[in-house]
Amino acid sequence: DSGVTQTPKHLITATGQRVTLRCSPRSGDLSVYWYQQSLDQGLQFLIQYYNGEERAKGNILERFSAQQFPDLHSELNLSSLELGDSALYFCASSVGDLATHEQYFGPGTRLTVT
Amino acid sequence: AQSVTQLGSHVSVSEGALVLLRCNYSSSVPPYLFWYVQYPNQGLQLLLKYTSAATLVKGINGFEAEFKKSETSFHLTKPSAHMSDAAEYFCAVREAAGNKLTFGGGTRVLVKP
Repeated sequence: DSGVTQTPKHLITATGQRVTLRCSPRSGDLSVYWYQQSLDQGLQFLIQYYNGEERAKGNILERFSAQQFPDLHSELNLSSLELGDSALYFCASSVGDLATHEQYFGPGTRLTVT
Repeated sequence: AQSVTQLGSHVSVSEGALVLLRCNYSSSVPPYLFWYVQYPNQGLQLLLKYTSAATLVKGINGFEAEFKKSETSFHLTKPSAHMSDAAEYFCAVREAAGNKLTFGGGTRVLVKP
């Protein structure tokens, strides 16, 4: 158990809908990262927040957005969902945002868009 | 942009045999390097990391990896495979000035009895 929690574990929804994925980092960790794992794209970095502020952006679609709240939990919002958005979405956390700080991964949320 | 190449999407080894998973990265500056393992229906667990200290890095579960700058490689090995090593393994790089992890395509390891 990494100490990072993600809810829900599974989510099934229809095209065009909007969903919210939630992540609680390990106690004391200030950085939260979101990654998408799909069969065709592999594991890709989406976005990072550090202490409530956006710190880095990767291949995140405009239909996706995220935020980190004062209690440091983070939410990833996916809207206008398409079949291709079906994937496993991981949240990771680290104590800071230095490159040497280990990232601890949550169990993931499996999103299925039908 | 950084890239990571893992040779072989699937590797099959016999129990007790050597496990060798290959990882090459592209970077003009030696990055920080990581190996993660993903068991079925689970998240990623850090096996080991290289952060410019010793070039031979020991990790959990008997795994180790050697950083070779001249070959831009960070191959993962374990002398004797165990059935519990069956999983998918990911090599990742993180630049000193960056925050994101860039992952390789993963190598799925099958251990035969």
